[in-house]
Amino acid sequence: AQSVTQPDIHITVSEGASLELRCNYSYGATPYLFWYVQSPGQGLQLLLKYFSGDTLVQGIKGFEAEFKRSQSSFNLRKPSVHWSDAAEYFCAVHGSGNTGKLIFGQGTTLQVKP
Amino acid sequence: DVKVTQSSRYLVKRTGEKVFLECVQDMDHENMFWYRQDPGLGLRLIYFSYDVKMKEKGDIPEGYSVSREKKERFSLILESASTNQTSMYLCASSFGGLAGVRGVETQYFGPGTRLLVL
Repeated sequence: AQSVTQPDIHITVSEGASLELRCNYSYGATPYLFWYVQSPGQGLQLLLKYFSGDTLVQGIKGFEAEFKRSQSSFNLRKPSVHWSDAAEYFCAVHGSGNTGKLIFGQGTTLQVKP
Repeated sequence: DVKVTQSSRYLVKRTGEKVFLECVQDMDHENMFWYRQDPGLGLRLIYFSYDVKMKEKGDIPEGYSVSREKKERFSLILESASTNQTSMYLCASSFGGLAGVRGVETQYFGPGTRLLVL
């Protein structure tokens, strides 16, 4: 069965530092992968997605993610974090079949220190 | 822009009450979803619908039902609210059809309803 693991529940970085959020997936075929961000009290906003092609995907707000099939990973990165990036981040994989279902990881909460 | 709206941002109900959460999308999406979000558990799928009057159970359907009478509207019903249903409820929608076509996999989320059951 498909699954998504985000190993880090909580991460703290200093403003201006680089960021990497980890995501590992389990899926038999080529996966469709997503990163969403949730600001406090808000719904989820799509940051980026990978369907096929170039394994380095650019998203909104300066984020990027790299699909590594050999490691079953889809880590999210940002070279310089801003205080407004403090939020919860969810990795997701598209489930099997054509139902459009997504399977989400547990989420990683990012705290940004001034 | 896709817009998904939910009828309430905050809701307080008493144990045993029947609760209705409404979700409306304006993108003519075929698929609609209801999730609950709890700390440390991520998002868990309650029910989803891939067409009007069609519904399927997700991972945690117990204690919930849904209704989809019109394409743009998907309602979540708590038949008899209990304290363990206190949670954040998120609605989402996406295009239907074959995976990889029309971006069917990309879900668009509403702002959420935070429900407190006393």
